[in-house]
Amino acid sequence: DTAVSQTPKYLVTQMGNDKSIKCEQNLGHDTMYWYKQDSKKFLKIMFSYNNKELIINETVPNRFSPKSPDKAHLNLHINSLELGDSAVYFCASSLRTVTNYGYTFGSGTRLTVV
Amino acid sequence: GEDVEQSLFLSVREGDSSVINCTYTDSSSTYLYWYKQEPGAGLQLLTYIFSNMDMKQDQRLTVLLNKKDKHLSLRIADTQTGDSAIYFCAEMNYGGSQGNLIFGKGTKLSVKP
Repeated sequence: DTAVSQTPKYLVTQMGNDKSIKCEQNLGHDTMYWYKQDSKKFLKIMFSYNNKELIINETVPNRFSPKSPDKAHLNLHINSLELGDSAVYFCASSLRTVTNYGYTFGSGTRLTVV
Repeated sequence: GEDVEQSLFLSVREGDSSVINCTYTDSSSTYLYWYKQEPGAGLQLLTYIFSNMDMKQDQRLTVLLNKKDKHLSLRIADTQTGDSAIYFCAEMNYGGSQGNLIFGKGTKLSVKP
């Protein structure tokens, strides 16, 4: 199936741990994104990335880092997890030059830090 | 700066029309979008409108755009219980060299039988 897929779907971990969330798209898109959705369902962009440029939302702590081994993957690595990092994280992708279709989103990763 | 505002809740009866409103601030937005999020699921693109259009209709969905007032609305005709979800308005913000989709806080639509 063509899609944006994220793994894992659920992640429960202890404070202080380091974890990664993986994202892959097979849509041929050239730009990928990470969004954070908090408990009130508010969505905030964290990163946007294509093979030339990484744009970081200035409110994102530097414990969060995107890693892109190739155009089809954008993983999110989080160091020293904190309770406040608990949220649903969505990966998305788009074809940067064709914005009328918006973004295609993955189904989300629910991160719970205990 | 960019900001997209929506009311947080809307409750309607099955069969009625639902109207979800949104205001945005970035006058350079070329496209505006409506996304739907069902419980426990990701975001699904419902429809979009180009900024030089006033209206777009797609089956039960009608999008109205008032560019002067930076107001966007989504009307769902004959609302069904399956339409219960959170609806997000989004604008494409062109600050910097890449566009980013900026979302409103979402309107939770509850449809009562």
